[in-house]
Amino acid sequence: QVQLVQSGAEVKKPGASVKVSCKASGYTFTSYDINWVRQATGQGLEWMGWVNPNSGNTGYAQKFQGRVTITRNTSISTAYMELSSLRSEDTAVYYCARGYSHDYWGQGTLVTVSS
Amino acid sequence: QSVLTQPPSASGTPGQRVTISCSGSSSNIGSNYVFWYQHLPGTAPKLLIYRNNLRPSGVPDRFSGSKSGTSASLAISGLRSEDEADYYCAAWDDSLSGFWVFGGGTKLTVL
Repeated sequence: QVQLVQSGAEVKKPGASVKVSCKASGYTFTSYDINWVRQATGQGLEWMGWVNPNSGNTGYAQKFQGRVTITRNTSISTAYMELSSLRSEDTAVYYCARGYSHDYWGQGTLVTVSS
Repeated sequence: QSVLTQPPSASGTPGQRVTISCSGSSSNIGSNYVFWYQHLPGTAPKLLIYRNNLRPSGVPDRFSGSKSGTSASLAISGLRSEDEADYYCAAWDDSLSGFWVFGGGTKLTVL
């Protein structure tokens, strides 16, 4: 069955970077884009960007341009989302989701930014 | 402020039919498919409707989607207590280099 398994919770200080992983299984990793979506406490879902695992092409939401980098390692069917220059407003649960339909989601990774 | 506009809340009693609206523009809903997700606290969002009105396998036919122009709606009939959740619409937006937009979410309460 399709599964996206994310790395564990992180606590970071303001100004630091965080890198969250998303390991895919149960399907051909290079056949579907991986999207990254976050939800801050009490807020809605917010799309951050995507990666095409086959080509490595990426696209980012304008809000995160320059601060987010999404990569992939096809040999281990894993996508990564790195967010830099963290601030308190980046405290959120970060999700990866498969494909154009976002049909399968990871379990979420809580990133807490606090001094 | 979300690009897609949803009512912040909706409610109904068991067995009732409720609808949740999602309003966008020509660059997103007006020219692309609409998707709906159900999100229960502490869990991953679940795809409910894709390509405006299609249900993934396993989603009950109590859930239905529609789209007209730059608006879309999700209807839930035969409301059940387990339907209490947050619901989000989403669509691709053709502006700039393209990006996904979500609605602000609608919290559905089953009274």
